[in-house]
Amino acid sequence: DSGVTQTPKHLITATGQRVTLRCSPRSGDLSVYWYQQSLDQGLQFLIQYYNGEERAKGNILERFSAQQFPDLHSELNLSSLELGDSALYFCASSPLGQNYGYTFGSGTRLTVV
Amino acid sequence: TQLLEQSPQFLSIQEGENLTVYCNSSSVFSSLQWYRQEPGEGPVLLVTVVTGGEVKKLKRLTFQFGDARKDSSLHITAAQPGDTGLYLCAGLRGGTYKYIFGTGTRLKVLA
Repeated sequence: DSGVTQTPKHLITATGQRVTLRCSPRSGDLSVYWYQQSLDQGLQFLIQYYNGEERAKGNILERFSAQQFPDLHSELNLSSLELGDSALYFCASSPLGQNYGYTFGSGTRLTVV
Repeated sequence: TQLLEQSPQFLSIQEGENLTVYCNSSSVFSSLQWYRQEPGEGPVLLVTVVTGGEVKKLKRLTFQFGDARKDSSLHITAAQPGDTGLYLCAGLRGGTYKYIFGTGTRLKVLA
């Protein structure tokens, strides 16, 4: 157990639907990062939050949004889902400071059918 | 354009062999990390290097950060089946807050 909890572990949904992925960071970590991993694209950075505020944005589609709540858990919302959104979605957390490594959760496997 | 290129992309070797994985970029990084990812799990941090030329050892794994902080290598001595996995390098560019991940090297060690 890495200390980062992601739910659900698996999600199967139809095109056009909306889903919410949840992440609880490791205790004490203020930063949360979301990554998308697919076979042909590798690990792609989506968005980072630090202590409730958006800190950095990557190649996140407009159909996707995220937020970090006062208790530091984060949610990634994916809407108008397309087949190409099928991927593993990872959440990672880190403490204050850029040289600390990320602790990743086990991921949510999203399948859009 | 991929900022961090890893080579080789795939590697299949016999138990006991040595191997080196490379992570290259044209950009300078303030720090670089290596992760290993096993199927169905998230990446797990192996090491962070921050100084050009720095060498770190983790049991049979040796990590080196290039002098110019643009590249890194991971050398595994006497590979074991337990070393099987996806190896990812990740670099942090100065003035940014997020690590960019490399393309990955998928290693399989056969018993």
